[in-house]
Amino acid sequence: RKEVEQDPGPFNVPEGATVAFNCTYSNSASQSFFWYRQDCRKEPKLLMSVYSSGNEDGRFTAQLNRASQYISLLIRDSKLSDSATYLCAVNIRPGTASKLTFGTGTRLQVTL
Amino acid sequence: NAGVTQTPKFRILKIGQSMTLQCTQDMNHNYMYWYRQDPGMGLKLIYYSVGAGITDKGEVPNGYNVSRSTTEDFPLRLELAAPSQTSVYFCASSPPRRAGDNEQFFGPGTRLTVL
Repeated sequence: RKEVEQDPGPFNVPEGATVAFNCTYSNSASQSFFWYRQDCRKEPKLLMSVYSSGNEDGRFTAQLNRASQYISLLIRDSKLSDSATYLCAVNIRPGTASKLTFGTGTRLQVTL
Repeated sequence: NAGVTQTPKFRILKIGQSMTLQCTQDMNHNYMYWYRQDPGMGLKLIYYSVGAGITDKGEVPNGYNVSRSTTEDFPLRLELAAPSQTSVYFCASSPPRRAGDNEQFFGPGTRLTVL
């Protein structure tokens, strides 16, 4: 089993739709969870951290389910500009120089 | 702040050549990282550093070397380039860990092709 796993997609959704991605992680002791956005041929950029109680930033909601060992990202009212690859990142071995393990990414394509 | 900068943006190497990928950050971050990203794949950690003078291997260190003589700079050296090292290389940095909050900031990447 991969340490951090994502459905590669692509998820093709119409503008205005709601879409959700999950990311599973293998180590129950993992701390620090993040969602990054990566545009084609660009560097990953932090979209949001994921907090235990869940958190929201505008149209984006991130949640953590420790019991089932996954994090999720919900995007409401999708825009064309949301088209990108979304990478989850997990500190699966806390105390190890803040190293993050990244998923392979989920590709989102928002269409008219 | 320029953040994390990387040079060069693109490079083509012949098999057996060597080169150094430069990475500099101006955020006074202790932690720095080198990743490679192959098409359709996630980021693989090559080397990381927790401060000047301290480096350690990541998941895929073979064929690479690093040094960290200053807080700002973390160059990645490729010796005897091989086609398997064709990839996009990202440098990242992270502030000192506080309460588990340790997001990483990435440079724009170096696209390397080895022919």
